[in-house]
Amino acid sequence: EADIYQTPRYLVIGTGKKITLECSQTMGHDKMYWYQQDPGMELHLIHYSYGVNSTEKGDLSSESTVSRIRTEHFPLTLESARPSHTSQYLCASKFETQYFGPGTRLLVL
Amino acid sequence: QKEVEQNSGPLSVPEGAIASLNCTYSDRGSQSFFWYRQYSGKSPELIMFIYSNGDKEDGRFTAQLNKASQYVSLLIRDSQPSDSATYLCAVGNNNNDMRFGAGTRLTVKP
Repeated sequence: EADIYQTPRYLVIGTGKKITLECSQTMGHDKMYWYQQDPGMELHLIHYSYGVNSTEKGDLSSESTVSRIRTEHFPLTLESARPSHTSQYLCASKFETQYFGPGTRLLVL
Repeated sequence: QKEVEQNSGPLSVPEGAIASLNCTYSDRGSQSFFWYRQYSGKSPELIMFIYSNGDKEDGRFTAQLNKASQYVSLLIRDSQPSDSATYLCAVGNNNNDMRFGAGTRLTVKP
């Protein structure tokens, strides 16, 4: 059982605001991932990291950025939120397989 | 061609029946294979993994792998309404990266 935490769980915010979605894991996993998933749709990989100071863009073009200053922490930032960013954001960490956090549901008005 | 392909469904089975979920993958070098279950509005949770050809059983779940055919399946015996969810197939390659399929939506009718 993996311990991955995401905050906030739900966020409603206005267009143009800067937001940071937090993701933390306590297992010491080097690999971490961010996915975007609309209701009933497939997962889209938007960012990943293989360790501290390593960040890469995923398959889906995203206007978000990530950082990995500490092994346990992998925050995702949207500099200027737009209604098109409304979605669920899932964080995962990996050791042999991926373990997912509970997700953040984002609604941009 | 997608790296991991699944029939999107929906797949509907009656309670007590066997549900069969299928997945094909394109990378012959794939080493590890996983099945996740995702309830509506929730995050995916791992239910099975398999690394070798053949069958692997865990309770009501059986994963089947055929690397020659690049095919992996999940059987759910004695399906229950609580099994209704989307099932994601994931494949790990030589670089230890994972690719997810789009998922198959399963509905078990009482």
